[in-house]
Amino acid sequence: DTEVTQTPKHLVMGMTNKKSLKCEQHMGHRAMYWYKQKAKKPPELMFVYSYEKLSINESVPSRFSPECPNSSLLNLHLHALQPEDSALYLCASSSGQGSLETQYFGPGTRLLVL
Amino acid sequence: DQQVKQNSPSLSVQEGRISILNCDYTNSMFDYFLWYKKYPAEGPTFLISISSIKDKNEDGRFTVFLNKSAKHLSLHIVPSQPGDSAVYFCAARDSGAGSYQLTFGKGTKLSVIP
Repeated sequence: DTEVTQTPKHLVMGMTNKKSLKCEQHMGHRAMYWYKQKAKKPPELMFVYSYEKLSINESVPSRFSPECPNSSLLNLHLHALQPEDSALYLCASSSGQGSLETQYFGPGTRLLVL
Repeated sequence: DQQVKQNSPSLSVQEGRISILNCDYTNSMFDYFLWYKKYPAEGPTFLISISSIKDKNEDGRFTVFLNKSAKHLSLHIVPSQPGDSAVYFCAARDSGAGSYQLTFGKGTKLSVIP
């Protein structure tokens, strides 16, 4: 089983709203990732959690706040977003235990900021 | 500077024929390469990978070839099927860098014509 699940599938929010994206995996993976993908572009890495600790933050604005409550869950809290933040937000996970790691992606959350 | 390049934005192939998708890289420290397939508004699906100690890896209809001296890899799909129509991303990783970060190419859109 290589499934990563994400909720919600679609999200529309105003610039003053607070919302959260959720990601879950039950593969025992210890590395989890948030990516942002715009149309016709490759995924752009935002954050990496390794063993529930934030290990990489790719200079993401503070209106995006990641959280890793446990080894299976990853959240992305959103506050005061801008219309240009509209994109597909992808979660991924990998074992975190070896060099030949494969990242498995979830289906994504399609976010529209109005 | 783009370290992973997919120079063909699109490719059209007749059903039943071979599809060849190409990828070039510049970072000689990359030691693990992956191909992902992506349908619109969905997350990338892992297809096949290859480590730098190999020059070929095969999985069913999919074969990846790696030419380290040329810093080139290719994905062969044979026979091509209409369901293979998607965007294909090449990704690479430098395991020695101590992070799990993947570097993606910009993708090639494959259209398989029935």
